Amino acid sequence: GNSVTQMEGPVTLSEEAFLTINCTYTATGYPSLFWYVQYPGEGLQLLLKATKADDKGSNKGFEATYRKETTSFHLEKGSVQVSDSAVYFCALMNYGGSQGNLIFGKGTKLSVKP
Amino acid sequence: DGGITQSPKYLFRKEGQNVTLSCEQNLNHDAMYWYRQDPGQGLRLIYYSQIVNDFQKGDIAEGYSVSREKKESFPLTVTSAQKNPTAFYLCASSITRGGSGNQPQHFGDGTRLSIL
Repeated sequence: GNSVTQMEGPVTLSEEAFLTINCTYTATGYPSLFWYVQYPGEGLQLLLKATKADDKGSNKGFEATYRKETTSFHLEKGSVQVSDSAVYFCALMNYGGSQGNLIFGKGTKLSVKP
Repeated sequence: DGGITQSPKYLFRKEGQNVTLSCEQNLNHDAMYWYRQDPGQGLRLIYYSQIVNDFQKGDIAEGYSVSREKKESFPLTVTSAQKNPTAFYLCASSITRGGSGNQPQHFGDGTRLSIL
């Protein structure tokens, strides 16, 4: 079946540090991959996406590359800010037939200290 | 602005009571979803609906019910059969479900349900 595994948090970084949140997946076929972000007390917002192998999604300084050979979609940012403190979810979706639901990882909480 | 509205933001329920969570969208999306979020558990799918008057069970449908009488609305009822209802509930929608291409889901801001 389809599943997503992401690194457990919490992750605590100082401002301007480099961020990596690991995400690996198991899926049949060719899923699309997503990163969502959840700020405290809010719903999820789509951060970035990639729909095929070697695609790089990017937004707000965050990047993730769809690596089919390692079934990974790691989230990176070169210099984090306090405002990046949130919970980050990796997710996949397979399309077609009876599929089409998002499968989420358990989330990784990021805290950025000034 | 187009979006998804969930109400109320906080909801309290007494033991043995049913309670209904509201979800309204003005994005003209066909598909709508309900998720439950618990600490350290990620999001789990309760129910989804691909079109008006149709809905399907997700992974954890026991103790919940839904209706889809209008395209814009997908209310979730947490029944007294749900033994552990305290959680954060998120509603989402997408243009369609399945098919090809990337069709990310859009989320509301959630309702936090607590048992008194």
